[in-house]
Amino acid sequence: DAGVIQSPRHEVTEMGQEVTLRCKPISGHNSLFWYRQTMMRGLELLIYFNNNVPIDDSGMPEDRFSAKMPNASFSTLKIQPSEPRDSAVYFCASSLSGESSYNEQFFGPGTRLTVL
Amino acid sequence: GNSVTQMEGPVTLSEEAFLTINCTYTATGYPSLFWYVQYPGEGLQLLLKATKADDKGSNKGFEATYRKETTSFHLEKGSVQVSDSAVYFCALSGGGGSNYKLTFGKGTLLTVNP
Repeated sequence: DAGVIQSPRHEVTEMGQEVTLRCKPISGHNSLFWYRQTMMRGLELLIYFNNNVPIDDSGMPEDRFSAKMPNASFSTLKIQPSEPRDSAVYFCASSLSGESSYNEQFFGPGTRLTVL
Repeated sequence: GNSVTQMEGPVTLSEEAFLTINCTYTATGYPSLFWYVQYPGEGLQLLLKATKADDKGSNKGFEATYRKETTSFHLEKGSVQVSDSAVYFCALSGGGGSNYKLTFGKGTLLTVNP
């Protein structure tokens, strides 16, 4: 079975450009999470979707960040305009139901974003 | 709110050495506890978990026991291998926070030399 798929794996862009990160969750999973990983702040939850509906976006840094989940098999995280401080590794994860406290989250390989 | 503190790395060991990575947590109630592992260039993978006090999670020779009295979930392995070189994250969910939300420690880089 394919795991969580993310694209691109690496993205280098210039400040001010729009960046779109993509995620395909594991088939049948109904919860999707976007995380950001930096040396300074570690792993942070940006947004959580359940059944394609955003439930918790309290971790989204600011209005430059937006996330969508138009259907159960696809999600995007968009940064517009991008800034150098957005440079990080962005992970997508999925699980079967987010309500239980111990449902395993399966992580994708991540997108390494560099904003020059 | 919930928080996780794990020992600062990096940790460097020789093959077959004993490993301990300390993890303590702050939470109300009874969180579920996890260890995740991140191999170079990959995403995080669940290594083991424990959902109630005194539970022991184990996998691939790694173990961790949920100690409510000391609010700890230390990771141990009796004999590490080169292939165990990775970053290890302690995490929790629930325990007064949202059940879906994982709170992670900063991670501990382990390097095992042959």
